[in-house]
Amino acid sequence: DTGVSQDPRHKITKRGQNVTFRCDPISEHNRLYWYRQTLGQGPEFLTYFQNEAQLEKSRLLSDRFSAERPKGSFSTLEIQRTEQGDSAMYLCASSLPPGIAPNNEQFFGPGTRLTVL
Amino acid sequence: SQQGEEDPQALSIQEGENATMNCSYKTSINNLQWYRQNSGRGLVHLILIRSNEREKHSGRLRVTLDTSKKSSSLLITASRAADTASYFCATARGPNNDMRFGAGTRLTVKP
Repeated sequence: DTGVSQDPRHKITKRGQNVTFRCDPISEHNRLYWYRQTLGQGPEFLTYFQNEAQLEKSRLLSDRFSAERPKGSFSTLEIQRTEQGDSAMYLCASSLPPGIAPNNEQFFGPGTRLTVL
Repeated sequence: SQQGEEDPQALSIQEGENATMNCSYKTSINNLQWYRQNSGRGLVHLILIRSNEREKHSGRLRVTLDTSKKSSSLLITASRAADTASYFCATARGPNNDMRFGAGTRLTVKP
């Protein structure tokens, strides 16, 4: 396992279209996180999963955003009716269970850069 | 919402000099972590300091934490051009160690 992977790396779409991103975490990591990062800013937390359960969602995650992790492995983040303000880098991270990694060190993927025209 | 604030926002130094970046935060934390991000790439974990620790070293990195002032600093000694990147502090808080990132310091090391 070479780490967290994300697909696609880049996505250009027209306003109003739907987009879906995928994240494959490190295999033994049961926690998976989604962040959004705009230019010149740090990552902003969107949501996280422990196994297949979505445990927390940020207020940033409007009703146009939905995330799933159906089998507790890979996750998808879908944005419906994209807006220009959705243009950002979407980062995925994963971490070991709290009992093994009590400090919650997160390992990040390379991100998906979304551009909404 | 973001938790930490890094200072300065941007820092430019010559190779061989030391670089110091600061981070302030607002709420109680379990630990504080520093990450590095090269342009357009994902974040790489550098070092973690727990709330009951005051100083930690890892290679050319030195991190301090002052919980009374709710602040941390990251020192990179003998900087190299390859250290050019953005550096973010992230605070972990609450029973789930929820992490929140600052806006980062953009470090440029000139050869």
